[in-house]
Amino acid sequence: GNSVTQMEGPVTLSEEAFLTINCTYTATGYPSLFWYVQYPGEGLQLLLKATKADDKGSNKGFEATYRKETTSFHLEKGSVQVSDSAVYFCALSKGPEGAQKLVFGQGTRLTINP
Amino acid sequence: GAGVSQSPSNKVTEKGKDVELRCDPISGHTALYWYRQRLGQGLEFLIYFQGNSAPDKSGLPSDRFSAERTGGSVSTLTIQRTQQEDSAVYLCASSPRATQYFGPGTRLLVL
Repeated sequence: GNSVTQMEGPVTLSEEAFLTINCTYTATGYPSLFWYVQYPGEGLQLLLKATKADDKGSNKGFEATYRKETTSFHLEKGSVQVSDSAVYFCALSKGPEGAQKLVFGQGTRLTINP
Repeated sequence: GAGVSQSPSNKVTEKGKDVELRCDPISGHTALYWYRQRLGQGLEFLIYFQGNSAPDKSGLPSDRFSAERTGGSVSTLTIQRTQQEDSAVYLCASSPRATQYFGPGTRLLVL
């Protein structure tokens, strides 16, 4: 079945450090890939997405590239800020548009220290 | 505009009791999803509604779980005879097409 494996946390970095959170997936065909973020005390929010191979999703300085050859969708940011502290979830969906059940990874808790 | 809302935000119940969790989706969103997030784990899909079609119940963990969506809008997730392993955050999401918008969740604790 479809599954998502992401880097285990927690991850702690200093402000302005480079961030990578690894995510790999198992799925038949061509799923859509997502990164969701959950800030403290808030609901889950879509951070970025990519719907086909070699697409790059980007938002708020974060990027992730859909790599079919390595079945990966690693999240990167060049210079993190304290406000990026949150839990990050990698997810995939597979199904007709409008019927896309999401399959989530375990989540990675990121803490950025000033 | 208003996002997805869920109530109650927190619920503490005793083992064996029934609970109802409510989700108000974003107006106009035809798709509605329920997920469960147990402590330290990722989200698990529970059930999906799309318009007037029969719901996809493939993620419901047992027959103690049921959900309905009235008038294509508000949805209620019901858990009968709650067990301690039902303790989790229950998240609702709605979608106009592809992107899902999540509510803040209901944190359920079964004692």
